[in-house]
Amino acid sequence: GNSVTQMEGPVTLSEEAFLTINCTYTATGYPSLFWYVQYPGEGLQLLLKATKADDKGSNKGFEATYRKETTSFHLEKGSVQVSDSAVYFCALSDVFQGGSEKLVFGKGTKLTVNP
Amino acid sequence: GAGVSQSPSNKVTEKGKDVELRCDPISGHTALYWYRQSLGQGLEFLIYFQGNSAPDKSGLPSDRFSAERTGGSVSTLTIQRTQQEDSAVYLCASSAGTSGLYNEQFFGPGTRLTVL
Repeated sequence: GNSVTQMEGPVTLSEEAFLTINCTYTATGYPSLFWYVQYPGEGLQLLLKATKADDKGSNKGFEATYRKETTSFHLEKGSVQVSDSAVYFCALSDVFQGGSEKLVFGKGTKLTVNP
Repeated sequence: GAGVSQSPSNKVTEKGKDVELRCDPISGHTALYWYRQSLGQGLEFLIYFQGNSAPDKSGLPSDRFSAERTGGSVSTLTIQRTQQEDSAVYLCASSAGTSGLYNEQFFGPGTRLTVL
């Protein structure tokens, strides 16, 4: 079945450091790929998405490129801020029975950015 | 409402009791999903509704779990005879559900269930 594997961390960085969180996936079809973020005390929010191969999703300085050849969707940011401290989830979605677009999530990576 | 709401925000129950968790999706959203977030298993899909029907129940972990949706809006997740392994945060999400396109799922704040 479909699955997502991501770097589990935790990851601790200093402000302005470069961030990479690795994510790879296994899927039988042509899934859409996502990064969700969960800030402390808040609900899950969509950070960025890509719906087909070679698409790049970007938001708030974060980027991820849908790489079909390596089945990867790594999250990157050039210069992290303290406010980026959160848990990041990589996820995929495909169309399942009855039109379900259920999300399959990785385990999550906790990022802490220190001033 | 402006977003997805869930109630209660916290629920503590004793093993063996039944619990009901409620989700109010964004108005007009036809698709509704339940997920569970636990330390051991991460985020897992439970059930999907399109309107009032549930064509995908593949994530329900046992027959103690059931859910319904009425009026194409509010959904209730019921767990019967709760067990300690049911302790988790139960998340609800809704989306516009337009076929042919990925529809962003908007998540509620979750209900934290603790089974003693």
